[in-house]
Amino acid sequence: NAGVTQTPKFQVLKTGQSMTLQCAQDMNHNSMYWYRQDPGMGLRLIYYSASEGTTDKGEVPNGYNVSRLNKREFSLRLESAAPSQTSVYFCASSTDWSSYNEQFFGPGTRLTVL
Amino acid sequence: DQQVKQNSPSLSVQEGRISILNCDYTNSMFDYFLWYKKYPAEGPTFLISISSIKDKNEDGRFTVFLNKSAKHLSLHIVPSQPGDSAVYFCAADGGSQGNLIFGKGTKLSVKP
Repeated sequence: NAGVTQTPKFQVLKTGQSMTLQCAQDMNHNSMYWYRQDPGMGLRLIYYSASEGTTDKGEVPNGYNVSRLNKREFSLRLESAAPSQTSVYFCASSTDWSSYNEQFFGPGTRLTVL
Repeated sequence: DQQVKQNSPSLSVQEGRISILNCDYTNSMFDYFLWYKKYPAEGPTFLISISSIKDKNEDGRFTVFLNKSAKHLSLHIVPSQPGDSAVYFCAADGGSQGNLIFGKGTKLSVKP
């Protein structure tokens, strides 16, 4: 059982380049999330998808877009990368849209923007 | 301004002793709290949670205590083991369903 998978694991971009981070879960979860973690900081929510077909902004959405492709997949896109987006990105999923449900995290994507 | 604070960036404990990790929060509307554990190069994993209607929740070696009047919670690990060495994040229900607000984390080192 893979749980939550993320690709790629590492990525280096130049300022202004675009890329898409992929996330997939095989637990039949309804809700999915994208977080970023900066050095010495906690995780901050970028976007979330409460259920298939819906997406909403989290705490730090600027510079990002998301797509809930189907129930399994939730992608995060950087249209024009900036050095401030250098971070570790985590995707997570949960049964439903409630904090009472444990969130399962992927291993993360470490992104560096030069 | 930080709503969930973990003021100790690191903690070192001897194997077999108790580890106490602390967390403070500012928003009295928070009604559910979680602890996550994170190893290097891995995603966080859920450890234990507590609802605001309780003041204690126990799961094996892990116990979380909640003091609502002080807006403080703590995670106790007894006895501590070297495999417990990780970063521990405290998180609170941010009010919007499913929106967790995380602290900065405390790095626990358990020495053999």
